[in-house]
Amino acid sequence: GAVVSQHPSRVICKSGTSVKIECRSLDFQATTMFWYRQFPKQSLMLMATSNEGSKATYEQGVEKDKFLINHASLTLSTLTVASAHPEDSSFYICSARDGTGGTEAFFGQGTRLTVV
Amino acid sequence: AQRVTQPEKLLSVFKGAPVELKCNYSYSGSPELFWYVQYSRQRLQLLLRHISRESIKGFTADLNKGETSFHLKKPFAQEEDSAMYYCALSGMGSARQLTFGSGTQLTVLP
Repeated sequence: GAVVSQHPSRVICKSGTSVKIECRSLDFQATTMFWYRQFPKQSLMLMATSNEGSKATYEQGVEKDKFLINHASLTLSTLTVASAHPEDSSFYICSARDGTGGTEAFFGQGTRLTVV
Repeated sequence: AQRVTQPEKLLSVFKGAPVELKCNYSYSGSPELFWYVQYSRQRLQLLLRHISRESIKGFTADLNKGETSFHLKKPFAQEEDSAMYYCALSGMGSARQLTFGSGTQLTVLP
C-alpha cells in the first residue's frame, strides 16, 4: 500500500514555543490530507482537512490560529502548533488519500507531542 | 451529522473462539464503512471496507442498512488478532472525511 510518513514521531517542547509536524505522502500525490488528534484511550478526532493550494477546513471547536495547517504541495502538509501549552499535549496523526480518487486513507505513524 | 458507535471498549476471547466487534452508525445518506486496525506500536491500517465484500485475515463485515450496523466477525480468533479495531464511516462530501468510532481493544487469550 501507499506510505505516509510523519515527522517527528516524538517531540517535547517548552510551553510557549511552536512545533511543526510534517506529513508526507511518499509514493502518491495527495490532494487532500487530514489531521487528527487522539487522546489516551480515545478515538481519533478530526481536526482539519488540508487541501493542496487552498486553506484548510477546520472542524468545529478547533482553533485555526493555534493549529496552523499548510498544504503547499501534493505530497506535503504541515501542522504547526503555535504557542503550545501543556493542554496541547497529545498524539497527532495525519492521513492522506490518493488524489486519483481512491477511497482508502493511509495513515502516518503519528507524533507524540509533550509540552512541558 | 455522521456518527459511529462501538459499544465495547474491551473484548477478550480465547484462541479459536468466534469474535464479533460491534459497530453501529448514523448517517443520512449512503455511507461507506471501513474497519481499521492498529497493532501494538504500529500505525493505523485499513482492514476492510464494505464495498469490497472481501475477507481479510479471516475477518468479514456485512453492512446492514436496516440495523445501521457494520459488525466485524471472525469465526476462529488467533492470538495475532489482538489489536485495537476502529470502525469508520466516510460520507459523500467532497473531502470524504472519515469519522471514527471510539475503538475496541481485542485481546485473544491463549
